[in-house]
Amino acid sequence: QLVESGGDLVQPGGSLRLSCVASKFKFGNYDMSWARQAPGKGLEWVSGISATGDNTYYADFAEGRFTVSRDNSKNTQYLQMNSLRVEDTALYYCATGYDPGFWGQGTMVTVSS
Amino acid sequence: DVVLTQSPLSLPVTLGQPASISCRSSQSLLSSDGNTYLNWFHQRPGQSPRRLIYKVSNRDSGVPDRFSGSGSGTDFTLKISRVEAEDVGLYYCMQGTYWPPITFGPGTKVEIK
Repeated sequence: QLVESGGDLVQPGGSLRLSCVASKFKFGNYDMSWARQAPGKGLEWVSGISATGDNTYYADFAEGRFTVSRDNSKNTQYLQMNSLRVEDTALYYCATGYDPGFWGQGTMVTVSS
Repeated sequence: DVVLTQSPLSLPVTLGQPASISCRSSQSLLSSDGNTYLNWFHQRPGQSPRRLIYKVSNRDSGVPDRFSGSGSGTDFTLKISRVEAEDVGLYYCMQGTYWPPITFGPGTKVEIK
């Protein structure tokens, strides 16, 4: 199970940190991803992180603004999002693997003034 | 970035009849390791995506055998042998051969006639 949290209404230029708590599987054995879906739009991959946290990967729009991290002792993945833009408004999903096999229910991020 | 196109974008289907969705890639998805990283996802209205098929033709656990994937290189197909009411929603193909970024197709909306 994957449970995301941290989504909120934020002004352009603001920051948010999303969390994803995993349970019922060996979190530390899995690479993880974040993906997003803007209202009424398709799926968009955001970032990936290796099982150990040593390697991170980003979509171009996230590079330099978003930072993915994880704490395997807490079975938790994070997404720190800075310099948020209106176009970052979306439902953000946490998922297992880079390809990704299992998805959480998502947390909504709304960027608006 | 690899661009995936899907057709049709809208697919009205009759219950019990077959359905087929095409996914075409802007370049071959055959990886240097011999695998082809093309997955299919299903998203029911109001729900998070569920992976159905990975690496072209492998069904995920619990996916009914009426779903099948095929293809190679740049052309791929998802087939539903007999459509059931629960199959409505959006279907996305996704490539993980050339990443980052992982990219998704635009989605095909399946609805019952």
